[in-house]
Amino acid sequence: GDSVTQTEGQVTVSESKSLIINCTYSTTSIAYPNLFWYVRYPGEGLQLLLKVITAGQKGSSRGFEATYNKETTSFHLQKASVQESDSAVYYCALGDLGTGNTRKLIFGLGTTLQVQP
Amino acid sequence: EAAVTQSPRNKVTVTGGNVTLSCRQTNSHNYMYWYRQDTGHGLRLIHYSYGAGNLQIGDVPDGYKATRTTQEDFFLLLELASPSQTSLYFCASIRRANTGQLYFGEGSKLTVL
Repeated sequence: GDSVTQTEGQVTVSESKSLIINCTYSTTSIAYPNLFWYVRYPGEGLQLLLKVITAGQKGSSRGFEATYNKETTSFHLQKASVQESDSAVYYCALGDLGTGNTRKLIFGLGTTLQVQP
Repeated sequence: EAAVTQSPRNKVTVTGGNVTLSCRQTNSHNYMYWYRQDTGHGLRLIHYSYGAGNLQIGDVPDGYKATRTTQEDFFLLLELASPSQTSLYFCASIRRANTGQLYFGEGSKLTVL
C-alpha cells in the first residue's frame, strides 16, 4: 500500500532556531508520486504550504523548504529560523493526481510544532 | 480565494443518533472529499466524489454514507452514530486539472456521547 510516515508527533523549538520535520513515504501503486506539506493553524482548516511534483526538485514557501528525494524516499521540511507564528500542525502528504478518477492524497499523522518565545 | 464551507461547526449527538455534515464549495471544483482527523491517526479519507451523483469509497468508509447532490454540495451521513465516530471532520475540494492544492473547510467537530 501507500503510506506517509512522520516520526515526530510534537516538536518544540525556540524562536529563531532552525527546524526540521521528518517525512518519509512508501508507495506501491503510484508511479510518479507528488509530495506536499500542508499546515493547520489553530482554529483553521488545512492549507497547502508547498508542493513538489518532480523528484530531485525543491519546493519553498514562507521560509520553509523541502526537497523531494526519491533515493531516500524522503521529503523533510526545514526552516532556518522559526517564528512564534509558525506554531501549527504540519502534515506531509503523498498524492496521485495525474491519472484517472482516483485522485486522492494520503496524509501522515501530522507533527505539532510549538515555537517558544 | 477558494472557499469551502462546512456546517455545523460543532455537533453533539447520542449513540444511535442521525447526523448530517454539510459541505459547500464555490470553487467550481470537480473533486470533493471527506476526511476525519484523530490523534494518532492523522487525516483519513472517508469518501470522495468527482462530480454530482458520483461517490468513491475512501479508506475508512464503515459507518458513513455520502452523497454529492450538486457540483457544490457534498454531504456526509452518519445514520447510527457511535462514540468511535467522535472526531474532527474536514471537507476539501480540488479542481480536476490541479496538481494537489486541496482547499479545506474549517472542520466540523462531532461528539457522540
